[in-house]
Amino acid sequence: GDSVTQMEGPVTLSEEAFLTINCTYTATGYPSLFWYVQYPGEGLQLLLKATKADDKGSNKGFEATYRKETTSFHLEKGSVQVSDSAVYFCALKLTDSWGKLQFGAGTQVVVTP
Amino acid sequence: GAVVSQHPSRVICKSGTSVKIECRSLDFQATTMFWYRQFPKQSLMLMATSNEGSKATYEQGVEKDKFLINHASLTLSTLTVTSAHPEDSSFYICSASGTDEKLFFGSGTQLSVL
Repeated sequence: GDSVTQMEGPVTLSEEAFLTINCTYTATGYPSLFWYVQYPGEGLQLLLKATKADDKGSNKGFEATYRKETTSFHLEKGSVQVSDSAVYFCALKLTDSWGKLQFGAGTQVVVTP
Repeated sequence: GAVVSQHPSRVICKSGTSVKIECRSLDFQATTMFWYRQFPKQSLMLMATSNEGSKATYEQGVEKDKFLINHASLTLSTLTVTSAHPEDSSFYICSASGTDEKLFFGSGTQLSVL
């Protein structure tokens, strides 16, 4: 079945460090891929998305490229801030499953001053 | 942006009791709401999809008689965990979607059954 695998956390970084969170997927069709972020005490928020191969999603300094050949959608940010401390979820949605997302387990990121 | 309010954020109950979790869309009409569950170190798993005014559609392996979902209005869906047991302890989260298919999530409910 369809699934998403992302690296386990917590990931602890110093401010201004480079962040990578790995995400790989398996899907029978051609999914759209998403990164969601959950700040403490808040709901998940869409961070970025990509709907087809080689698309790059970007937002708030974060980027992820849809790599069909490696079935990956790794999240990167060049210089993290303390305010980026959150839980990050990778997810996929098949084209015929409106609204139904398949999530990874989430990766907690802790950025220290 | 659109806001989805989920309540309570944390609940502790005794085994055998029922617990109700509410999910409200505060500034838009949610034609569809989704309920997810997450066990520790595992993925958020979709439990069911509810459309306003109709019966919920449950994912395979989710007991519909145990997890009662009511979506009686365009702004409110409830999940009731009936006769809760320790194995139902989990993180439950809802999401809501309006007519433009954008998804908005609640902040989740941590259920602990003693």
